[in-house]
Amino acid sequence: DVVLTQTPPTLSATIGQSVSISCRSSQSLLDSDGDTYLNWLLQRPGQSPQLLIYSVSNLESGVPNRFSGSGSETDFTLKISGVEAEDLGVYYCMQATHAPLTFGSGTKLEIK
Amino acid sequence: EVQLVETGGGLVQPGNSLKLSCATSGFTFSTAWMNWIRQTPGKRLEWLAQIEDKSNNYFISYLESVKGRFTISRDDSKSSVYLQMNNLKEEDTAIYYCTSLAYWGQGTLVTVSS
Repeated sequence: DVVLTQTPPTLSATIGQSVSISCRSSQSLLDSDGDTYLNWLLQRPGQSPQLLIYSVSNLESGVPNRFSGSGSETDFTLKISGVEAEDLGVYYCMQATHAPLTFGSGTKLEIK
Repeated sequence: EVQLVETGGGLVQPGNSLKLSCATSGFTFSTAWMNWIRQTPGKRLEWLAQIEDKSNNYFISYLESVKGRFTISRDDSKSSVYLQMNNLKEEDTAIYYCTSLAYWGQGTLVTVSS
């Protein structure tokens, strides 16, 4: 199974600060169809996960554009340009290129 | 408004069965590939099963460790997806989510304990 390694496990940021989360895959997530099925999810406290970004860099409808995703093959990054209070929670990367679908262990974002 | 509502969770003894249901609305369910994903008490997310749409002959895939114990199904006429879980084990204790990956339900808690 594909192992996704997220770093850092926790992140503490002030409002307005920009932060990045890394997700490294144990194998390339480039699919034979040319797409790369690496998504980012946010789970706010007490809520279910929600999709933020799909296929590396595509913003899900309604997600603020302070969120951006980048990367290729095995190295991916989620960036928040100007953290807001509502961004606190746990961020997960997830891959759907290889079966079974797998998740990173999460990065908890705390607001200072 | 998109809604996915899971029901059927609860406390069950090891070896027993449980069937989870997920009723959806607000999106085109018939063309959605639906999944069941669980979150363990340690917050780890684990994909369990997927059922594709009619155009893909409702192809089904499972996590190897639940194959033979869990069965996913869907009813497009009711915009619902189901998960039949048999021979439950204590390690199956988790919050169970149904999701198209774009949309997620609020989850239903399954506790397996004697």
